[in-house]
Amino acid sequence: GQNIDQPTEMTATEGAIVQINCTYQTSGFNGLFWYQQHAGEAPTFLSYNVLDGLEEKGRFSSFLSRSKGYSYLLLKELQMKDSASYLCAAPDSNYQLIWGAGTKLIIKP
Amino acid sequence: DVKVTQSSRYLVKRTGEKVFLECVQDMDHENMFWYRQDPGLGLRLIYFSYDVKMKEKGDIPEGYSVSREKKERFSLILESASTNQTSMYLCATQHPNYGYTFGSGTRLTVV
Repeated sequence: GQNIDQPTEMTATEGAIVQINCTYQTSGFNGLFWYQQHAGEAPTFLSYNVLDGLEEKGRFSSFLSRSKGYSYLLLKELQMKDSASYLCAAPDSNYQLIWGAGTKLIIKP
Repeated sequence: DVKVTQSSRYLVKRTGEKVFLECVQDMDHENMFWYRQDPGLGLRLIYFSYDVKMKEKGDIPEGYSVSREKKERFSLILESASTNQTSMYLCATQHPNYGYTFGSGTRLTVV
């Protein structure tokens, strides 16, 4: 079957680093996406990984291991505005995105 | 940038009313989707469309229908609104690299 798993909730401190993990099982592989969703708003695109390794984009980085079916989103120098849900997603065999339930990240001062 | 516009940000309707949620995109994308999102349940796919006049049921199509008469417009219809359809509704289009762009969402309350 096809499945995406990520933790339900995480808490971190302002200024710190947090890693949000995602494991996936899909038929075939066409990339792994991360989206950010603030409360009451729509998800917005953060990153897209197709090849193994770490891709850095400012304070946010995303890592992929295709052999392990594993990805993580790394957030550095956490700010209060990073409080949001982070959704992991991957295309299925019909190229539609299968979504994880999202990880709610709570930032404390 | 792709723009996906949903006609209403907030909507309040009465039980039994017919409700239309409109979604318009400006990038000529073929694939469009309607989701609902409820606390603790994540994104749930209602309907999707791969082309004009084509529609496919998602995971929770009951109580909903859709219309796609033009490529840029994908409408979600609640034939007879019920209180259990109170939710956030999100429209999305799909890019050639498979990623989605979402509209700003419509928070529908059925009373």
